[in-house]
Amino acid sequence: AQRVTQPEKLLSVFKGAPVELKCNYSYSGSPELFWYVQYSRQRLQLLLRHISRESIKGFTADLNKGETSFHLKKPFAQEEDSAMYYCALATASKLTFGTGTRLQVTL
Amino acid sequence: NAGVTQTPKFQVLKTGQSMTLQCAQDMNHNSMYWYRQDPGMGLRLIYYSASEGTTDKGEVPNGYNVSRLNKREFSLRLESAAPSQTSVYFCASSEIQLEQYFGPGTRLTVT
Repeated sequence: AQRVTQPEKLLSVFKGAPVELKCNYSYSGSPELFWYVQYSRQRLQLLLRHISRESIKGFTADLNKGETSFHLKKPFAQEEDSAMYYCALATASKLTFGTGTRLQVTL
Repeated sequence: NAGVTQTPKFQVLKTGQSMTLQCAQDMNHNSMYWYRQDPGMGLRLIYYSASEGTTDKGEVPNGYNVSRLNKREFSLRLESAAPSQTSVYFCASSEIQLEQYFGPGTRLTVT
């Protein structure tokens, strides 16, 4: 069965510091992975997906099939990055979400 | 374009009461989903509808029923609410690339 693991419930970094939100997955097929973000009191929205290889709001994520990881990175954290981040794995017609990591960016 | 809308935004129920959460989307998406969001557990899929006329169980379907009324609307019903169903409920819709668009959520408290 598919599984998505986000080992950190909370990640606290200083403004300007690098950010790495970890995501590992378990899936026997060819994975399609996403990062979703939920800002305070807002709905979830797509941040990026691995097939598009885009950089959104300075965030990037690389799929590493050998390590079964899809970590989210940003070189310099901003206050507005504070939010809840969810990694998700697409299988058939649905998504399996991780438990989420709250990113807190402090001054 | 309203995207995905949900009603109500907040609801308080007593144990044993029933209610229906409504969801509608105006993006002509084929697939719709219901999730619950609980602290420390992320989003868990309750039910989904891959296309109009079909519904399937997700990870946590017990205590819920759904109806895909038409292509736009997908409702979630709690027949006999329990305190364990206190949660935030999100509806989502998507097309074939699986980018899901979420509604604003319904905060449900069962006392």
